[in-house]
Amino acid sequence: DAKTTQPPSMDCAEGRAANLPCNHSTISGNEYVYWYRQIHSQGPQYIIHGLKNNETNEMASLIITEDRKSSTLILPHATLRDTAVYYCIALYNAGNMLTFGGGTRLMVKP
Amino acid sequence: EPEVTQTPSHQVTQMGQEVILRCVPISNHLYFYWYRQILGQKVEFLVSFYNNEISEKSEIFDDQFSVERPDGSNFTLKIRSTKLEDSAMYFCASGTGIFVRTDTQYFGPGTRLTVL
Repeated sequence: DAKTTQPPSMDCAEGRAANLPCNHSTISGNEYVYWYRQIHSQGPQYIIHGLKNNETNEMASLIITEDRKSSTLILPHATLRDTAVYYCIALYNAGNMLTFGGGTRLMVKP
Repeated sequence: EPEVTQTPSHQVTQMGQEVILRCVPISNHLYFYWYRQILGQKVEFLVSFYNNEISEKSEIFDDQFSVERPDGSNFTLKIRSTKLEDSAMYFCASGTGIFVRTDTQYFGPGTRLTVL
């Protein structure tokens, strides 16, 4: 699975959109981009995943560049409860293990 | 909404003792996983389990560790002789196994293991 790179931390004002970037320049054509988050010491929580097209669900949107070398997770209206560590993971086979890097610590501020 | 549950939430044990951490995956899920997170560090994969056997394991998952699905609902992680460095949060996860390429892993709340 391809290595991903994320900024270690970001701040966002409550109610504003949070845009979390991820670089995965060595991603292969068959690897999906998954996003999980971990709130405090809770179990990681699935957010969204995509292959080539942009995706949206009730939690977030995922924008993947045309060359697939980077992506952005968008939380459209961040709340204080979105404060968490966000992980971007490139994965070929979803039955495989998840490799968590350092992630991005998002702090949503009032 | 169905969820993965884990018991106990906190386990304290003496070094050298055996512990069993229990998980109840989401019903009808077929893939099961254990991860751990040492305080302040990354979440690390331990083992995956499918069709009643280990499908993948990490270097951390040595002979001191074992997993079992003793019945149709529980999935357990046993540490035979605990060490101080086994102190961590242990997370269980499960996946449907239906969508091999795009399956999602659902995590439990974790068991905090403290080895004294």
